[in-house]
Amino acid sequence: DTGVSQNPRHKITKRGQNVTFRCDPISEHNRLYWYRQTLGQGPEFLTYFQNEAQLEKSRLLSDRFSAERPKGSFSTLEIQRTEQGDSAMYLCASSLGGSNTEAFFGQGTRLTVV
Amino acid sequence: AQSVTQLGSHVSVSEGALVLLRCNYSSSVPPYLFWYVQYPNQGLQLLLKYTSAATLVKGINGFEAEFKKSETSFHLTKPSAHMSDAAEYFCAVSEFGNNFNKFYFGSGTKLNVKP
Repeated sequence: DTGVSQNPRHKITKRGQNVTFRCDPISEHNRLYWYRQTLGQGPEFLTYFQNEAQLEKSRLLSDRFSAERPKGSFSTLEIQRTEQGDSAMYLCASSLGGSNTEAFFGQGTRLTVV
Repeated sequence: AQSVTQLGSHVSVSEGALVLLRCNYSSSVPPYLFWYVQYPNQGLQLLLKYTSAATLVKGINGFEAEFKKSETSFHLTKPSAHMSDAAEYFCAVSEFGNNFNKFYFGSGTKLNVKP
């Protein structure tokens, strides 16, 4: 399978703990996105990487959130000191360059903070 | 910034009936528009995309959408619903800036197909 892969698929954590998610994009895609989706809503943009450079971050991404994409390959999204409001589906997507290219999404990581 | 409005958070049709899911967008520039489908606990799968080549766009699984600039709409249709079409559908508009596409999604429409 050469699609976008995300791990883990599900994560339950206690409030205050740190969590880290991983995304492996489609290999030839230089663009990588993180989105967050809460119940009953569409995905909301969090951050974008072009190769290893993080070029844009949403104001939704508080200081407790950090994302990396070392060497322009896989990416990690870390949430420190989790809060119940962080409970959501975290979606990773990747795409080729160009102005009208679609994003290919992974299956997501569902985070539940208890 | 762009925005997307999907009218009707839930739509229910009978198997074999016409499917019509509505999407209106706002954009200050010619938009790139997309429809994605999401099955429970899954990621989003692209159904189709409009990129200004043709106003009627055909996608996978028999879906199509028509871009109407005067109505700022991009409604999704399928002539005959199948049980397997039951899912949540998201309309999205992309804004190209800073050398990447930022996608703005609607809040989704859940399609229920009755036997």
